[in-house]
Amino acid sequence: NAGVTQTPKFQVLKTGQSMTLQCAQDMNHEYMSWYRQDPGMGLRLIHYSVGAGITDQGEVPNGYNVSRSTTEDFPLRLLSAAPSQTSVYFCASSYDGRLNTEAFFGQGTRLTVV
Amino acid sequence: KNQVEQSPQSLIILEGKNCTLQCNYTVSPFSNLRWYKQDTGRGPVSLTIMTFSENTKSNGRYTATLDADTKQSSLHITASQLSDSASYICVVRKNYGQNFVFGPGTRLSVLP
Repeated sequence: NAGVTQTPKFQVLKTGQSMTLQCAQDMNHEYMSWYRQDPGMGLRLIHYSVGAGITDQGEVPNGYNVSRSTTEDFPLRLLSAAPSQTSVYFCASSYDGRLNTEAFFGQGTRLTVV
Repeated sequence: KNQVEQSPQSLIILEGKNCTLQCNYTVSPFSNLRWYKQDTGRGPVSLTIMTFSENTKSNGRYTATLDADTKQSSLHITASQLSDSASYICVVRKNYGQNFVFGPGTRLSVLP
């Protein structure tokens, strides 16, 4: 049971480049989310999905796109990378949206935009 | 403003000692409070989830407390081990939607 798998683990991009951060879970979870973690700050929600075909914006969605074509996968696309997007990105999943449902996190993708 | 504050920012203790980490929040409306452990280079892993009616919850050597009246929580680590070296993140969930408010974390270093 792999849990939540993120790839790549590290990435360096030039300003203006685009890329996709991959996230997959094998727990049949309905809810999936993307967060970014910056030094001295708590994780902030970028986008989330409550099921296949359904996505919504979080607190800091600008510059990012998501899609959810399957239950297992929830990729995060950077359209035109900017230095302000240098961060560590975490994908999380949970079985459903009940308030006490446990959330499971991937190991993160460290992105540097130069 | 919905905020979660944690103290201290960092802490160094010797192996075998106890320590307590603090979390204060202003998040409303409150649903539950979670403590996560995040090892360096890894994602957060859940330690405890406490609802409004729970005052104390334990997970091995980790004991979390919650005072919903004063909006304070603490995480007590007993008989610390080297493997306890990590960041500990306090998270408050609102009672609707995907509204999690994360604290900045306390970085704990346990030295031999």
